[in-house]
Amino acid sequence: GAVVSQHPSWVICKSGTSVKIECRSLDFQATTMFWYRQFPKQSLMLMATSNEGSKATYEQGVEKDKFLINHASLTLSTLTVTSAHPEDSSFYICSARDKQGMWEQYFGPGTRLTVT
Amino acid sequence: QQPVQSPQAVILREGEDAVINCSSSKALYSVHWYRQKHGEAPVFLMILLKGGEQKGHDKISASFNEKKQQSSLYLTASQLSYSGTYFCGTLSGGSNYKLTFGKGTLLTVNP
Repeated sequence: GAVVSQHPSWVICKSGTSVKIECRSLDFQATTMFWYRQFPKQSLMLMATSNEGSKATYEQGVEKDKFLINHASLTLSTLTVTSAHPEDSSFYICSARDKQGMWEQYFGPGTRLTVT
Repeated sequence: QQPVQSPQAVILREGEDAVINCSSSKALYSVHWYRQKHGEAPVFLMILLKGGEQKGHDKISASFNEKKQQSSLYLTASQLSYSGTYFCGTLSGGSNYKLTFGKGTLLTVNP
């Protein structure tokens, strides 16, 4: 149980284009979904928290107009990186908190974004 | 505030034991432990709630001393599969659920 999927696993795009990453909780309903960014050999940095049907809460320093988050249902959240630039290249990981659970948070497999 | 993990890295031979520590300057409600292998997402290991919990699974166990705002992860008789980066995530009280992760501890288990 508690499986979170992400799609795509990796994406290479040209500078200036937009990229959408999907995050799904496959066998549970997620109260809240989280989006993290991780640079090589560094820790997980929370970008934003999203609850189904409401606007995402962004961490300080994260541009909400650049990183658009939509949480359409209790099992799906999407992150769109708009007008991507090479400095946006990173490993993006989503996680979800089980509506029926306590405090556990389960991570998706991550999406490697490379902007050329 | 980001919890502090120690050591930053440790190298073991198969069968040896290791302890990874996580400490916070803030009062904690819970501590979450994850293991991440290179290029993969973190995998949930266990969560410890305030009240002085200790728990374990197989040869991996952890403790939480809420008075000291510290948690320790114990790996006994390490296996090659234990290699990876271990992160602790801390959750403080309040209505805002937000895990804050430490910088990680790189564990390498050699044959």
